[in-house]
Amino acid sequence: NAGVTQTPKFRVLKTGQSMTLLCAQDMNHEYMYWYRQDPGMGLRLIHYSVGEGTTAKGEVPDGYNVSRLKKQNFLLGLESAAPSQTSVYFCASSRDRTTDTQYFGPGTRLTVL
Amino acid sequence: AQSVTQPDIHITVSEGASLELRCNYSYGATPYLFWYVQSPGQGLQLLLKYFSGDTLVQGIKGFEAEFKRSQSSFNLRKPSVHWSDAAEYFCAGWSNAGNMLTFGGGTRLMVKP
Repeated sequence: NAGVTQTPKFRVLKTGQSMTLLCAQDMNHEYMYWYRQDPGMGLRLIHYSVGEGTTAKGEVPDGYNVSRLKKQNFLLGLESAAPSQTSVYFCASSRDRTTDTQYFGPGTRLTVL
Repeated sequence: AQSVTQPDIHITVSEGASLELRCNYSYGATPYLFWYVQSPGQGLQLLLKYFSGDTLVQGIKGFEAEFKRSQSSFNLRKPSVHWSDAAEYFCAGWSNAGNMLTFGGGTRLMVKP
């Protein structure tokens, strides 16, 4: 049982480049989330998904897109990276969206130059 | 607006000493409250959660938290800290009105030998 895995672990981009972060979970969870973590600000929700084929915006969605084509995978895309998107990105999953525990991946550290 | 505040950015305690990490929330109704821990280079792991009922909640690794409605607080405690407790701790809250998990800014705990 790997839990929640994220690919890649580190990435450096130049301004304007694009990339996709992959999150995978093997717990058959319906709900998946993408957060960004910035110093002193805790984690902020970017987008989330309530099931295969469905996504919704979180607190800070601008500049990001997501897709959930398979239940176990949740992709986060940056179409045109900006230095303000330098952050640590965490994926999480849960069985339900309110009271259930969220299980987090190890994170992806992204630097945009 | 719903929010979770952790007033202490850094705390240093001696090994074996007691610990209390503060968390204040601002929600109209009683929220669901959580404490997560993040070890260096890792994702977040749930320590404990409060939904209703008994206001003293026991968690993993010897942690407990007490919900105090009158003070809008949900402080995390441990009677005797171990060096392995050095990590960053996040308080988080959920309300149906906000429809997302809101994290505090985090408290970094350092443990002196």
